[in-house]
Amino acid sequence: AQRVTQPEKLLSVFKGAPVELKCNYSYSGSPELFWYVQYSRQRLQLLLRHISRESIKGFTADLNKGETSFHLKKPFAQEEDSAMYYCALYAGGTSYGKLTFGQGTILTVHP
Amino acid sequence: GAVVSQHPSRVICKSGTSVKIECRSLDFQATTMFWYRQFPKQSLMLMATSNEGSKATYEQGVEKDKFLINHASLTLSTLTVTSAHPEDSSFYICSARKPDSSYEQYFGPGTRLTVT
Repeated sequence: AQRVTQPEKLLSVFKGAPVELKCNYSYSGSPELFWYVQYSRQRLQLLLRHISRESIKGFTADLNKGETSFHLKKPFAQEEDSAMYYCALYAGGTSYGKLTFGQGTILTVHP
Repeated sequence: GAVVSQHPSRVICKSGTSVKIECRSLDFQATTMFWYRQFPKQSLMLMATSNEGSKATYEQGVEKDKFLINHASLTLSTLTVTSAHPEDSSFYICSARKPDSSYEQYFGPGTRLTVT
């Protein structure tokens, strides 16, 4: 069975500092990985996915199959980045699109 | 766009009663919908996967007789919490998947259930 681990429940940085939210996964197949974000009082929304290799709101994430990691990074954090971030894995096959979520990391960016 | 709504946004019910939560995809047809439970500042716990026209698939440890899921149309899935107890109080979130997307889920705003 697949598993997603986000080792940090809370992460605090100051504005302008680099930030890295860690995500590790275990899955025997070839995974598709995503980062979802939930801002205060808002619904969960897709931030980015590894397959598109895009940068959204200054965030990037690279899939490292050797280390089974998909860490989310931003070189200069902004206060508006404060939110709950979830790493998620899609296993494909007959899972009907089911996503496995990590425990989430609450990022706080201080002014 | 891909908008998912939930109704009600919050509900308070008495212990022992049942409460129904609706999840609708407003501008697309969703062959698959998912129901999650979220505890304060914690992760999403997938409860069940709901496919239109068939029985829901429940995750291990989720009581199917307590959390009844119906996906009667391509735009509506309902979750009924039967004989609710205070420990059922939680934030329930649904999401929907477009037929042409294998992985992206669009989330509803959630429903806050409080059982007194």
